[in-house]
Amino acid sequence: KNEVEQSPQNLTAQEGEFITINCSYSVGISALHWLQQHPGGGIVSLFMLSSGKKKHGRLIATINIQEKHSSLHITASHPRDSAVYICAVKEGAQKLVFGQGTRLTINP
Amino acid sequence: ETGVTQSPTHLIKTRGQQVTLRCSSQSGHNTVSWYQQALGQGPQFIFQYYREEENGRGNFPPRFSGLQFPNYSSELNVNALELDDSALYLCASSLDGRVSKETQYFGPGTRLLVL
Repeated sequence: KNEVEQSPQNLTAQEGEFITINCSYSVGISALHWLQQHPGGGIVSLFMLSSGKKKHGRLIATINIQEKHSSLHITASHPRDSAVYICAVKEGAQKLVFGQGTRLTINP
Repeated sequence: ETGVTQSPTHLIKTRGQQVTLRCSSQSGHNTVSWYQQALGQGPQFIFQYYREEENGRGNFPPRFSGLQFPNYSSELNVNALELDDSALYLCASSLDGRVSKETQYFGPGTRLLVL
């Protein structure tokens, strides 16, 4: 059974700061997802990674398969980035195993 | 192209009752996964349906059951509701449930409160 750990659980920063959220998992996976969840519940898929690095706008996601670790970075953070960021790993074809999420608050 | 939709958005039930939640998958997607998210927790996998057949199940009791229709929309049924079933129920659709590196597109969720 895969254990997915995220850190930190809560993060508060000032607008403009560089943000890093970490995710570690215990068992080999086929893919890792970073998701964003806003108040009210809707989840948006940000990235799906199986190796290396992906960039989309101010968001960068990296994964190290050997170390079973991934990071999500936000550059030039903005209050609209405030949300819960969730790491989820894919076991086989069906199942996503989720971390508990990191609650990010960006103050103006 | 419409996204994933769920209904209802909110629901209040009492212990022992039964509930049916609905999900319409994104156009062209044949796979729907259901998740339960308790307050302050990450989502937990309930089950997945691929082309109307159950294609994987998480650690949930048999009173959680599902259905997928020929148009790939799906229902989640929960019988004999318990207080701990209070949660946000999320469905996610993907293009092909047999493929491991598939993005899942999430619906807005149904918030269920059991009193």
